[in-house]
Amino acid sequence: GQQVMQIPQYQHVQEGEDFTTYCNSSTTLSNIQWYKQRPGGHPVFLIQLVKSGEVKKQKRLTFQFGEAKKNSSLHITATQTTDVGTYFCAGKIYGGSQGNLIFGKGTKLSVKP
Amino acid sequence: EAGVAQSPRYKIIEKRQSVAFWCNPISGHATLYWYQQILGQGPKLLIQFQNNGVVDDSQLPKDRFSAERLKGVDSTLKIQPAKLEDSAVYLCASSSTGQWNNSPLHFGNGTRLTVT
Repeated sequence: GQQVMQIPQYQHVQEGEDFTTYCNSSTTLSNIQWYKQRPGGHPVFLIQLVKSGEVKKQKRLTFQFGEAKKNSSLHITATQTTDVGTYFCAGKIYGGSQGNLIFGKGTKLSVKP
Repeated sequence: EAGVAQSPRYKIIEKRQSVAFWCNPISGHATLYWYQQILGQGPKLLIQFQNNGVVDDSQLPKDRFSAERLKGVDSTLKIQPAKLEDSAVYLCASSSTGQWNNSPLHFGNGTRLTVT
């Protein structure tokens, strides 16, 4: 079936180091959304990418959508302890309903102070 | 604005028992979703409502799971009978526009279900 693969599954970094998580789909996506889930919390929407090759920035976070609209990445510059959590990408398949977001398994980020 | 409200926060039941979860979406949000999140995985859609109609329930195990949103506002999700593999967090989410739009999902805090 349709899948959204996300790597790595875990990432441990020293505070101040950079972090990147990658998301790949087996099929073309109409859009991709990114969510952050703090430990014990619920997923919180970060951003949505719609256009091929789109790049968006939120302070230290940079989001990219691939030219073929099959992959995406989230890069955090100079991580802080507040960045701890699990980052999920969620891809919407072309022709699918909004609820038909396929979530990746997430990348769990831990930051050592 | 008030967020998505869910109750209970935690529930422990024995296998073969029944359980129900409640969700009240953000006011004015027409679309409501129930997701299942097993530990270490991403949320998986169980059912999507548009107002009081079902849009997508293709991944709902209908032999044991049921959900309703009778008045197009709050919703309940029921499991009867529960199995051990149903242990998970059940997340309710809502969004402000219809099924074909790209508005983000707003999640509730979830109900953590443990089946023993």
